[in-house]
Amino acid sequence: NAGVTQTPKFQVLKTGQSMTLQCAQDMNHNSMYWYRQDPGMGLRLIYYSASEGTTDKGEVPNGYNVSRLNKREFSLRLESAAPSQTSVYFCASSEEGPWFGSYTDTQYFGPGTRLTVL
Amino acid sequence: GDSVTQMEGPVTLSEEAFLTINCTYTATGYPSLFWYVQYPGEGLQLLLKATKADDKGSNKGFEATYRKETTSFHLEKGSVQVSDSAVYFCALSDQGGTASKLTFGTGTRLQVTL
Repeated sequence: NAGVTQTPKFQVLKTGQSMTLQCAQDMNHNSMYWYRQDPGMGLRLIYYSASEGTTDKGEVPNGYNVSRLNKREFSLRLESAAPSQTSVYFCASSEEGPWFGSYTDTQYFGPGTRLTVL
Repeated sequence: GDSVTQMEGPVTLSEEAFLTINCTYTATGYPSLFWYVQYPGEGLQLLLKATKADDKGSNKGFEATYRKETTSFHLEKGSVQVSDSAVYFCALSDQGGTASKLTFGTGTRLQVTL
């Protein structure tokens, strides 16, 4: 049981390049999330998927797109990378689904991807 | 909107000292409250949580009590160890919507020395 896995661990891009960050979970969780972590700002939600087939914007969605490929996988795409997207990106999942009371659930985090955009 | 404020670090303590990390929140509803811990080079993992007022979450010697009257969820440990050195995040998840979107504080780095 690997939990939440992310690839790659590290990536360096040039401004304007594109890339996709991969995330997979093996806990049969319904909800998945993408966060970015910047110094002095905690974690901020980029996008989330409450269940397979649905995605919604979080606090900082501009410059990103996501795909919930199936129940296990949730990818984050940067179409044209900018230096402001230099950050550590975390994927997370939780068991909940789209029902009332889901806000009590624990989220499980992957190890992160450190992205640098030059 | 929702927000979480936690004390700035770094906090430096000697081993076996008492730890308090303050956390206060603003939320429109009745949120669930969480403490997550991030060890160097790793992702976040849940330390403890409380889902309603007056609940106490506890784990690995850490405790925090959900105080609705003071909108606080302070983290405490009676005797810290070097292995507790990490960054600690307070977070909340509010009612409504279809997923528990977490709002995080900025994190407090704890350094424990021998």
